[in-house]
Amino acid sequence: GENVEQHPSTLSVQEGDSAVIKCTYSDSASNYFPWYKQELGKGPQLIIDIRSNVGEKKDQRIAVTLNKTAKHFSLHITETQPEDSAVYFCAASIGKTGGFKTIFGAGTRLFVKA
Amino acid sequence: SAVISQKPSRDICQRGTSLTIQCQVDSQVTMMFWYRQQPGQSLTLIATANQGSEATYESGFVIDKFPISRPNLTFSTLTVSNMSPEDSSIYLCSVGGGVHQPQHFGDGTRLSIL
Repeated sequence: GENVEQHPSTLSVQEGDSAVIKCTYSDSASNYFPWYKQELGKGPQLIIDIRSNVGEKKDQRIAVTLNKTAKHFSLHITETQPEDSAVYFCAASIGKTGGFKTIFGAGTRLFVKA
Repeated sequence: SAVISQKPSRDICQRGTSLTIQCQVDSQVTMMFWYRQQPGQSLTLIATANQGSEATYESGFVIDKFPISRPNLTFSTLTVSNMSPEDSSIYLCSVGGGVHQPQHFGDGTRLSIL
């Protein structure tokens, strides 16, 4: 069945360094890839997304890259700050009869040390 | 994006009892979803709440355990019935989604069963 693998499960970086989270999806029909940030006590919040016809998208310190051939997509956070500390989820959306389905990765807990 | 309000935000319940969680959206939405997030885990879809018809449940989830109502396009409830400690989780309401469209989440209901 459809699956999204996410690595690493935990990532610790020094403030100012970059953080990279990688995901792999199994269904080549996936055509939309959102990334969510979940802070303690909150629900997941969309931070960036990318469509399958785009290879890269950037929004200030956050960028996402997509390699459809390899079925890989990655989140890049530059100049990390303590407030970037959270759990990050990747997801792959697949269209299906009557609607769609979103498969979430297992999550990456990011710690940014001041 | 839509503003999603969930009530209660948290609760501690006794084994064998039931709890109804409410989800209110500030605009009319076609698709509403209920997810479960066990401690330190990813998001698992329980069911899709359909307005005017029965909810569509994912494998492993049944209506008797998780009855859902969707009386209109801005409101839904999820009941967790006959609770056991294994039901201790965060329950999240979500709206939106679709091909190239993100889902948005409420802040969740943190449920602990003693």
